[in-house]
Amino acid sequence: AQSVSQHNHHVILSEAASLELGCNYSYGGTVNLFWYVQYPGQHLQLLLKYFSGDPLVKGIKGFEAEFIKSKFSFNLRKPSVQWSDTAEYFCAVNDKGYSTLTFGKGTMLLVSP
Amino acid sequence: SAVISQKPSRDICQRGTSLTIQCQVDSQVTMMFWYRQQPGQSLTLIATANQGSEATYESGFVIDKFPISRPNLTFSTLTVSNMSPEDSSIYLCSVTDPKGYEQYFGPGTRLTVT
Repeated sequence: AQSVSQHNHHVILSEAASLELGCNYSYGGTVNLFWYVQYPGQHLQLLLKYFSGDPLVKGIKGFEAEFIKSKFSFNLRKPSVQWSDTAEYFCAVNDKGYSTLTFGKGTMLLVSP
Repeated sequence: SAVISQKPSRDICQRGTSLTIQCQVDSQVTMMFWYRQQPGQSLTLIATANQGSEATYESGFVIDKFPISRPNLTFSTLTVSNMSPEDSSIYLCSVTDPKGYEQYFGPGTRLTVT
């Protein structure tokens, strides 16, 4: 069965610092990859996704992620975080042809102003 | 994207009782999913609900404990039966886009069992 690991459970950054959140998945087949974000008191929202093509994908609010197939990784990055980026971030994977998602445990990001 | 609403948004229930959570979508969808997010944990898929067929449960979840209904293409319910404090969690429903890959999530139902 697919599993997803996120390297950091809690990250604390100052505004303008750069962000990289790690995500690795276990199954080596063809996958779709997602990052979801949950702002305090809000729904889980899709931040960005990778299905195929350019392994560097750009999402909303200046976030990007790079798919490295050889490392089974899909790390999330942002060059300069803002206080409003404070949220919980979840990496998720589904195997192509299947709709069910496997989530990582999430990373709580706190950005101090 | 789909707009999903859930009722109730939160509830506090006594041990041994049952709670039914409703999920309403603003468009017709084939597949609906129910997830659980326990405190400090990730989202775990409970079951997949397709209209007109029995729900498919993931390992560790059974129909007697989490019966699901899917009477039409815009609505589903999840019942948490004979609750214990270990069932305290956020329960979320989600739907897929027409291609079946992206999932959209409801706001969740925060359940506390005392």
